[in-house]
Amino acid sequence: EAQVTQNPRYLITVTGKKLTVTCSQNMNHEYMSWYRQDPGLGLRQIYYSMNVEVTDKGDVPEGYKVSRKEKRNFPLILESPSPNQTSLYFCASSFWDGYEQYFGPGTRLTVT
Amino acid sequence: KQEVTQIPAALSVPEGENLVLNCSFTDSAIYNLQWFRQDPGKGLTSLLLIQSSQREQTSGRLNASLDKSSGRSTLYIAASQPGDSATYLCAAKNFGNEKLTFGTGTRLTIIP
Repeated sequence: EAQVTQNPRYLITVTGKKLTVTCSQNMNHEYMSWYRQDPGLGLRQIYYSMNVEVTDKGDVPEGYKVSRKEKRNFPLILESPSPNQTSLYFCASSFWDGYEQYFGPGTRLTVT
Repeated sequence: KQEVTQIPAALSVPEGENLVLNCSFTDSAIYNLQWFRQDPGKGLTSLLLIQSSQREQTSGRLNASLDKSSGRSTLYIAASQPGDSATYLCAAKNFGNEKLTFGTGTRLTIIP
């Protein structure tokens, strides 16, 4: 089954404790992206990747890192999480930039 | 900078009625526009994608239109069913920009 998977689905952590949210797709997509969704603000892009070893900032990249060492994986790294990063995070992929995007199920992160 | 607006934020409709959801955008240099549905606690599911050269797209009971000159897209749902209850999001992609700009969504409730 073609899908985008994220792990973990739910995470509660404390300020400053490094964490990684994994994202994997099995559709051989070139383009991958991370979004956060907050009430009243909608979805905002954090980072995106056009190909392996190619990443770029979206609208709200501060406090986040990403890497794209393999085509199928695009982990999101929070080196020192803060409470304002409490949010619902989505990973997405598409065949290429401008094509239909497929979203993962989301990761709800709470930073206390 | 592209801005996408969806009004109303919430809509309740009796089962069986036809309905229209609205999406407005400020920058008409659109590459494509995509409609998604989001169920509570779930990820986004792509419904329809309209390229800038197209006027509309249809899938089953759904029909999406695009009018670049007026900065509007609509999602028409025919013969609504309780299973259509969800939040509907539109997202615009502009030429020369690798990201999607999302609206904040319309929460649709179909009343049995």
